[in-house]
Amino acid sequence: AQKVTQAQTEISVVEKEDVTLDCVYETRDTTYYLFWYKQPPSGELVFLIRRNSFDEQNEISGRYSWNFQKSTSSFNFTITASQVVDSAVYFCALSEYNFNKFYFGSGTKLNVKP
Amino acid sequence: GAVVSQHPSWVICKSGTSVKIECRSLDFQATTMFWYRQFPKQSLMLMATSNEGSKATYEQGVEKDKFLINHASLTLSTLTVTSAHPEDSSFYICSALADRGHNYGYTFGSGTRLTVV
Repeated sequence: AQKVTQAQTEISVVEKEDVTLDCVYETRDTTYYLFWYKQPPSGELVFLIRRNSFDEQNEISGRYSWNFQKSTSSFNFTITASQVVDSAVYFCALSEYNFNKFYFGSGTKLNVKP
Repeated sequence: GAVVSQHPSWVICKSGTSVKIECRSLDFQATTMFWYRQFPKQSLMLMATSNEGSKATYEQGVEKDKFLINHASLTLSTLTVTSAHPEDSSFYICSALADRGHNYGYTFGSGTRLTVV
């Protein structure tokens, strides 16, 4: 069965620190998609990245980077030089190849203090 | 591209009344839309999958007579919370399956915060 685990419930860092949010997933599918979303206090889900199971290249987008490791079924998210505006709940999610089901992790609340 | 509009963003209603939440895909057609519920400090829980022109598929434990879903067109799905009670107070968020745009996959609405008093 598909499952996404975000073991870190809440993380607090001081501005400018780097922080890594962990995501471990389980699936029997060979083709699947992994996502990261940001949910600020206002509630909307902000899409950050989508990665398909055949693309293990790490990605960097500004201060954000993602490390996809199929060998360990992990899709970790790193924020470099964190800012107060990064404070939010971050969700990792897994989708079946046909997008029929979408599985969310429990989320990690990130607090970035000035 | 691939924008989903959800209305209202918040609503307060009296116990026993019904509330309708709309989810529209603005620049694409969505044959499939999804409705989620999120309790405070918890993850999103899939309630049902809405397919255009057919009955919605509800997840186990979700009362279909309580949460009526209608997907009458390729751009609109509605969730009606019938005879709302305080325990229905929650954050409801929809998503639509987009087949274009850089975030191929799910596009989420901005959510509706329902408070039943």
